[in-house]
Amino acid sequence: DTGVSQDPRHKITKRGQNVTFRCDPISEHNRLYWYRQTLGQGPEFLTYFQNEAQLEKSRLLSDRFSAERPKGSFSTLEIQRTEQGDSAMYLCASSWELYTGELFFGEGSRLTVL
Amino acid sequence: DAKTTQPPSMDCAEGRAANLPCNHSTISGNEYVYWYRQIHSQGPQYIIHGLKNNETNEMASLIITEDRKSSTLILPHATLRDTAVYYCIVRGSNTGNQFYFGTGTSLTVIP
Repeated sequence: DTGVSQDPRHKITKRGQNVTFRCDPISEHNRLYWYRQTLGQGPEFLTYFQNEAQLEKSRLLSDRFSAERPKGSFSTLEIQRTEQGDSAMYLCASSWELYTGELFFGEGSRLTVL
Repeated sequence: DAKTTQPPSMDCAEGRAANLPCNHSTISGNEYVYWYRQIHSQGPQYIIHGLKNNETNEMASLIITEDRKSSTLILPHATLRDTAVYYCIVRGSNTGNQFYFGTGTSLTVIP
């Protein structure tokens, strides 16, 4: 399968712990996006990378969140000192073309904070 | 933020055409209309997009009004596997070329 892959698919953690999610985009795609989705809502934009540069961050991305994309390949999203409000599906997507290119999403990583 | 308005839910009989409307009255000339769908517990899936002209692909047709203030996604022969949440998104320079999702339309295809 050459689609976008995310790991882990499910994560249960206790409040205050740190968690990290990984996303492997489609190999030829230079843009990578992170979204968060809570129950009953559409995906909310968090941040995106063009190659290794993080070009935009949403105000939803608090100081406890950090994303990286070393070498412009895979990306990680880390949440420090998790809170119950962080419980959500974290979706990764990648794309190639700047203007008309559609996003290809992974299956998501579901986080449950107890 | 989302610039579109969609009905929260719709039903469609299996085998019939599903017509999903979307209002985007503030769309700018360089903004595209995209449609995605999300089947339960999966990531969103791209369906189709267009600027001015009607578009068709193997999944669906997109009809954009002449004033571009609204559009309709048409699934010509709905199947049970088309049950999903459908998102209409306006994307262009006014949105920083980002995809901002609203709450979409939950389509239920009824046997």
